[in-house]
Amino acid sequence: AQSVAQPEDQVNVAEGNPLTVKCTYSVSGNPYLFWYVQYPNRGLQFLLKYITGDNLVKGSYGFEAEFNKSQTSFHLKKPSALVSDSALYFCAVRVSGAGSYQLTFGKGTKLSVIP
Amino acid sequence: ETGVTQSPTHLIKTRGQQVTLRCSSQSGHNTVSWYQQALGQGPQFIFQYYREEENGRGNFPPRFSGLQFPNYSSELNVNALELDDSALYLCASSMTTGGGETQYFGPGTRLLVL
Repeated sequence: AQSVAQPEDQVNVAEGNPLTVKCTYSVSGNPYLFWYVQYPNRGLQFLLKYITGDNLVKGSYGFEAEFNKSQTSFHLKKPSALVSDSALYFCAVRVSGAGSYQLTFGKGTKLSVIP
Repeated sequence: ETGVTQSPTHLIKTRGQQVTLRCSSQSGHNTVSWYQQALGQGPQFIFQYYREEENGRGNFPPRFSGLQFPNYSSELNVNALELDDSALYLCASSMTTGGGETQYFGPGTRLLVL
């Protein structure tokens, strides 16, 4: 079984400050890890993913995430938050290998960037 | 925007009725996955279709069924609707390559069961 934990329901950060949204995962095997963002009344928008290789992954809109295998974490980061980054963020995991198809999502973290 | 479209955007049904939701995948994609997102929760995997065959299923009862057509568009059918089926239904398309392909999501269909 695979699972994702997002330990914070809400993260508040001041505009211009760095932000971190936390994610830990559990899989049997090597993980594929994803971050998505959801704006109100919208579908999920892909931000970035880790498949293999460099542990630091860069994605859309200045976001990046660091894969840490020993801590089974994949935290999302941005050096300087914008008010427009305020949204719901989801971390998702899929196990690598043949027959793997299911994305398992965390419950989401609401990010509020305060002007 | 991803190029994945869903219809309708909103739907109201009563308990016991049946519903069909539709999804057009992004050009060049051969795989469609369906997810249910209840209020305040992350999306839950329902099933996936690859080349018109069900390729995997989550923990949903058989009254949730689907189809994929030769053009890779897809339908999700739910029979005997229950109040708990009220949710945002998301369709995602991808190109299955055997690697860590990205699923691209549509805007969703919001279903309310009364």
